[in-house]
Amino acid sequence: EPEVTQTPSHQVTQMGQEVILRCVPISNHLYFYWYRQILGQKVEFLVSFYNNEISEKSEIFDDQFSVERPDGSNFTLKIRSTKLEDSAMYFCASDRGARQPQHFGDGTRLSIL
Amino acid sequence: KNEVEQSPQNLTAQEGEFITINCSYSVGISALHWLQQHPGGGIVSLFMLSSGKKKHGRLIATINIQEKHSSLHITASHPRDSAVYICASFGNSGGSNYKLTFGKGTLLTVNP
Repeated sequence: EPEVTQTPSHQVTQMGQEVILRCVPISNHLYFYWYRQILGQKVEFLVSFYNNEISEKSEIFDDQFSVERPDGSNFTLKIRSTKLEDSAMYFCASDRGARQPQHFGDGTRLSIL
Repeated sequence: KNEVEQSPQNLTAQEGEFITINCSYSVGISALHWLQQHPGGGIVSLFMLSSGKKKHGRLIATINIQEKHSSLHITASHPRDSAVYICASFGNSGGSNYKLTFGKGTLLTVNP
């Protein structure tokens, strides 16, 4: 069964550095999402992406964050000038359309030192 | 703003017991997701439903749209069912797709 893949599984970065988290959504899916989960807290929506543009973003998704689908298969989340509070598990998800089940990757654990 | 509440937060059961996890939400939604998260962190979709009931193996999910409530049942529970179970609502964001609003999850531990 096709699945969403995320790399790396764990990223350790110094505060202030930039990180790029990568995702390969399922190939016939049209909608892409990033979520994050701070340790011990619930999963939170960051951003959704459709037709090569952001369709919705949360208050968390400020100018520090950006997303891109550079080549038709990868979907990336860039975090500029990372802060300690960016440490979390970041999940990518994709689906085929409205009201279709979202499929999640295994997540990238981001640790900011 | 839609709030999703789950109960209980923690649940410990003996193998073979019938399990119920409850989820309520505050505003009308188009559908509800039940998800399973294992200790390694990965999230797996179990069900998506917008009305009635769905069954998959030993798992049953029900939803009552009027009461804004959903339940996940596990029959004949097994230690391998131990995980965090999360409900998440699909809300119409006004855009062309739907984001999920998550509950805090229910940590289920099934002892042999």
